[in-house]
Amino acid sequence: EIVLTQSPATLSLSPGERATLSCRASQSVSRYLAWYQQKPGQAPRLLIYDASNRATGIPARFSGTGSGTDFTLTISSLEPEDFAVYYCQQRSNWPPWTFGQGTKVEIK
Amino acid sequence: EVQLVESGGGLVQPGGSLRLSCAASRFIFSSYWMSWVRQAPGKGLEWVASIKQDGSEKYYVDSVKGRFTISRDNAKNSLYLQMHSLRVEDTAVFFCARALRHCSGGSCFDYWGQGILVTVSS
Repeated sequence: EIVLTQSPATLSLSPGERATLSCRASQSVSRYLAWYQQKPGQAPRLLIYDASNRATGIPARFSGTGSGTDFTLTISSLEPEDFAVYYCQQRSNWPPWTFGQGTKVEIK
Repeated sequence: EVQLVESGGGLVQPGGSLRLSCAASRFIFSSYWMSWVRQAPGKGLEWVASIKQDGSEKYYVDSVKGRFTISRDNAKNSLYLQMHSLRVEDTAVFFCARALRHCSGGSCFDYWGQGILVTVSS
């Protein structure tokens, strides 16, 4: 099973700042990595699939990069609605599809 | 907009059974892989099971194999999860999720239901 490790666990930033979230895989997942956003009491929302493809309706301030074992989700300028928990998920070695433990982006 | 609405959750004793349902609407249900993903209270996400469009392929996380069964009824636009031999550690919010068509094996999830809570406790 591929283990995904996200860092940091918590990111404290102010609106307008840039957020950089990391996801590291225990073995190569090629580019088969997705990112989700989850707000309290809500279902997750797909942001990015296959490392860098924005899902339908996702603003351009969200971008994903990486391949192999190291991936990054960048939010170029945080909006108030972006404060949430973010999860990465791999679909390379299937099944099982596995998620990272999450990074919480909180207001500083 | 795509709608996924789960039902059937609740409180069940360890060793008991429960059947979750997910009613899908506003998309061609029979054209998509579908999945269940769960989230224990205060924890992260865990993929549980996926099923192909025609039900011919099904995949499960090891921890539920032999206890849970995923199924679907395309005529009713519905997804199901039959859960037996429930354990305390199965306590979670269960989400029904549609797979992005680009992602083979139902491996990434573009629309999610609001989730339904399953509590396993004596």
